[in-house]
Amino acid sequence: GESVGLHLPTLSVQEGDNSIINCAYSNSASDYFIWYKQESGKGPQFIIDIRSNMDKRQGQRVTVLLNKTVKHLSLQIAATQPGDSAVYFCAEKRWGSQGNLIFGKGTKLSVKP
Amino acid sequence: DAMVIQNPRYQVTQFGKPVTLSCSQTLNHNVMYWYQQKSSQAPKLLFHYYDKDFNNEADTPDNFQSRRPNTSFCFLDIRSPGLGDAAMYLCATSRDPAGYNEQFFGPGTRLTVL
Repeated sequence: GESVGLHLPTLSVQEGDNSIINCAYSNSASDYFIWYKQESGKGPQFIIDIRSNMDKRQGQRVTVLLNKTVKHLSLQIAATQPGDSAVYFCAEKRWGSQGNLIFGKGTKLSVKP
Repeated sequence: DAMVIQNPRYQVTQFGKPVTLSCSQTLNHNVMYWYQQKSSQAPKLLFHYYDKDFNNEADTPDNFQSRRPNTSFCFLDIRSPGLGDAAMYLCATSRDPAGYNEQFFGPGTRLTVL
């Protein structure tokens, strides 16, 4: 069978509260970052992306913040809903590299009704 | 709707018995990727095709092979599955490998090895 996996960091929030999921990326040359949401038994789903020439980008109920100085990325979800419960991965990429997204470890978001 | 399709969604095979997983896309993307994802871990890239150009990751075991007969289809062949190969296998596509564009993922195939 499958090997035992690592325990994911877990963030538990109350429905309606804001969520902040953090990610430390590894490569200072990375200039493109993506947040993916993965629900149980499904493939990762694109949420939002940001290029390194920006430090903030907003979508519908989501905001991504990028701090290149400390190589830190965060995803903020406003008014968190039960449907937001999933594992969230950040991914980094360097422009010109042959397609390799480097995924972070993932954070499990659990929303309490 | 344009999408990435994987078949089957669940695959059971026996130890050492070859298995093939299928991926198709209607996005007309140039690049197709195969990832392995084990429980509570991030997806791990096995290889990708940029058009017909195959790019293998350095640490991908020889047991894993891939074929891309045309733009729409890509296959993952596991020649002799071991228990450690039980995982979710994800196919993804993107327009080009180098630019600022995201990868679109399929729903995955869950492989069980008995």
